[in-house]
Amino acid sequence: QSALTQPASVSGSPGQSITISCTGTSRDIGGYDYVSWYQQHPGKAPQLLIYDVSHRPSGVSNRFSGSKSGNTASLTISGLQAEDEAEYHCSSYTTNNIIFGGGTKVTVL
Amino acid sequence: QVQLQQWGAGLLKPSETLTLTCAVYGGSLSDNFWSWIRQPPGKGLEWIGEINHSGRTNYNPSLKSRVTMSVDTSKKQFSLKLNSVTAPDTAVYYCAREFCTSDDCYQTYFQHWGQGTLVTVTS
Repeated sequence: QSALTQPASVSGSPGQSITISCTGTSRDIGGYDYVSWYQQHPGKAPQLLIYDVSHRPSGVSNRFSGSKSGNTASLTISGLQAEDEAEYHCSSYTTNNIIFGGGTKVTVL
Repeated sequence: QVQLQQWGAGLLKPSETLTLTCAVYGGSLSDNFWSWIRQPPGKGLEWIGEINHSGRTNYNPSLKSRVTMSVDTSKKQFSLKLNSVTAPDTAVYYCAREFCTSDDCYQTYFQHWGQGTLVTVTS
């Protein structure tokens, strides 16, 4: 059982928007603005998409956006494209540790 | 462009010690934190711990009793040892560098990753 809770799968059609949730507690997501999201294609290492809840590293498409409310963080992918089909992982800082969710498989229909 | 290349034994028996090494190319080992992260088959990621060039370490509390990280600045390499492995330690293990912008570096996030090493623990 992972420390952060994500839905196992989310799907959408090309051009649509989807949102992936990541639920933690007041000791992690709710207590710090150190939330990140990673995209991972099969057989590849994860790639950083979002840091500090809502910031995008240079080179990451603005179709990816992050937010947080209370103990839940969210990743929204707008204008869904075939290349967005991948696993998405959320992460948060907590005291003396960095924890992840179980991952969400995004399928583009 | 920073690149990480990792290697180590891929098949272990229970109670043995997992040893992995990661080499840094295209950048310096200094001024950054270097982490190990693992991913059991079909599951989420787990942060194992981090080390910097001076040997300062931070470990995941759940693994702390079994983990040792070390650094060799002359070779631009850092290593992971996990002792007394069991089947639940079976995972793809990644080395990674913290995320840096032009202004700052963030220990909480990971920007450059190794290619991953599948380590299987089985009798």
